[in-house]
Amino acid sequence: AQSVSQHNHHVILSEAASLELGCNYSYGGTVNLFWYVQYPGQHLQLLLKYFSGDPLVKGIKGFEAEFIKSKFSFNLRKPSVQWSDTAEYFCAVNAPLSGGYNKLIFGAGTRLAVHP
Amino acid sequence: GAVVSQHPSWVICKSGTSVKIECRSLDFQATTMFWYRQFPKQSLMLMATSNEGSKATYEQGVEKDKFLINHASLTLSTLTVTSAHPEDSSFYICSARDPSGLLFGYTFGSGTRLTVV
Repeated sequence: AQSVSQHNHHVILSEAASLELGCNYSYGGTVNLFWYVQYPGQHLQLLLKYFSGDPLVKGIKGFEAEFIKSKFSFNLRKPSVQWSDTAEYFCAVNAPLSGGYNKLIFGAGTRLAVHP
Repeated sequence: GAVVSQHPSWVICKSGTSVKIECRSLDFQATTMFWYRQFPKQSLMLMATSNEGSKATYEQGVEKDKFLINHASLTLSTLTVTSAHPEDSSFYICSARDPSGLLFGYTFGSGTRLTVV
């Protein structure tokens, strides 16, 4: 079965530090990959997505992610975090399944706290 | 962009009663919607896939008789938690794919916090 693994459950950083959140998935076929962010008390928002093409994807708010097919990874990065980046981050994979429909499978999430 | 509206935002009900949660796609038609459940400090777990005009597809371990899903139109899916118990208290989130399947990916509702007392 498809699965998504996020290695860091909690990350604490100071402002201006660089961020990298790991995401690995298990699925041998073609996948679509997503990173979502959930700010405290708010709903999920799409940060960026990868469907095809350039494996380095740029998203909103200065985030980017790199798809490395050989490593089954889609790590999220930001060169310099801000206090407002404090949130929970979810990696998700969408893979075509039998029955003709797709579904999103989420990782467990990484809770990021940025100190001013 | 695509917007999904979920209602109510929060609800408190007595044990044994039923609660209905609505999920609407506001500016697009969604033949497929998804219902998730999120426990505190945990990830979203897919409960079922709602298909317009046909039966929902439930994930393993999800009781279809307890979590009734109806997707009667291209813009509305409902989740009814029947005979709710305290262990059903959770955050329920719906999602829909954008029409093209490419532009926005998946759009999420703001969620419904259910508390069963």
